[in-house]
Amino acid sequence: DTGVSQNPRHKITKRGQNVTFRCDPISEHNRLYWYRQTLGQGPEFLTYFQNEAQLEKSRLLSDRFSAERPKGSFSTLEIQRTEQGDSAMYLCASSLDRDSRAEAFFGQGTRLTVV
Amino acid sequence: GENVEQHPSTLSVQEGDSAVIKCTYSDSASNYFPWYKQELGKGPQLIIDIRSNVGEKKDQRIAVTLNKTAKHFSLHITETQPEDSAVYFCAASIVWVGGGSNYKLTFGKGTLLTVNP
Repeated sequence: DTGVSQNPRHKITKRGQNVTFRCDPISEHNRLYWYRQTLGQGPEFLTYFQNEAQLEKSRLLSDRFSAERPKGSFSTLEIQRTEQGDSAMYLCASSLDRDSRAEAFFGQGTRLTVV
Repeated sequence: GENVEQHPSTLSVQEGDSAVIKCTYSDSASNYFPWYKQELGKGPQLIIDIRSNVGEKKDQRIAVTLNKTAKHFSLHITETQPEDSAVYFCAASIVWVGGGSNYKLTFGKGTLLTVNP
């Protein structure tokens, strides 16, 4: 499978716990994005990496959220002290910054439920 | 920032009919407009995109049109099939020739398309 891979697919956690999600982008893709999608809404941009550098963060990304892409390959998104409002689908996407290519390809997402 | 409005929110058609979904955007600097199809429990799948230097693009039964002056773009699906049933999202982004932009996407709220056999 050469697509974007996200793990786990589903996560149920108790309020106040920390959770971490992983995203493996398409190999050779140097751009990586995290989006959040709530029921009945389109995905909303959270943050963006160009290689290992985190270049932009949305104001939706509170201090409890942190994302890393240590070697410019896979990325992790951690949520500390989860709240019920964090329940959503977390989507990862990747794209290739070459020849002005803009196509972004999404993974299957991680559905987080905070109880 | 960019704001994308999408209509209708739900659309039901008979198999074989055409379906049209419309989007408007607010930022005149946006120049890249992809469409995604999302099936239940899956991530969005890119189905077609258009850049602002063209007015129309077609791929088999799917076509997208863009009116830069009015800042709206539309998805047209002809000869619809039950497997076309899904949620469709339009999006807008700014792409700089030569790189440097973040290419982040602003999405509409989606259209639930149901194709009845």
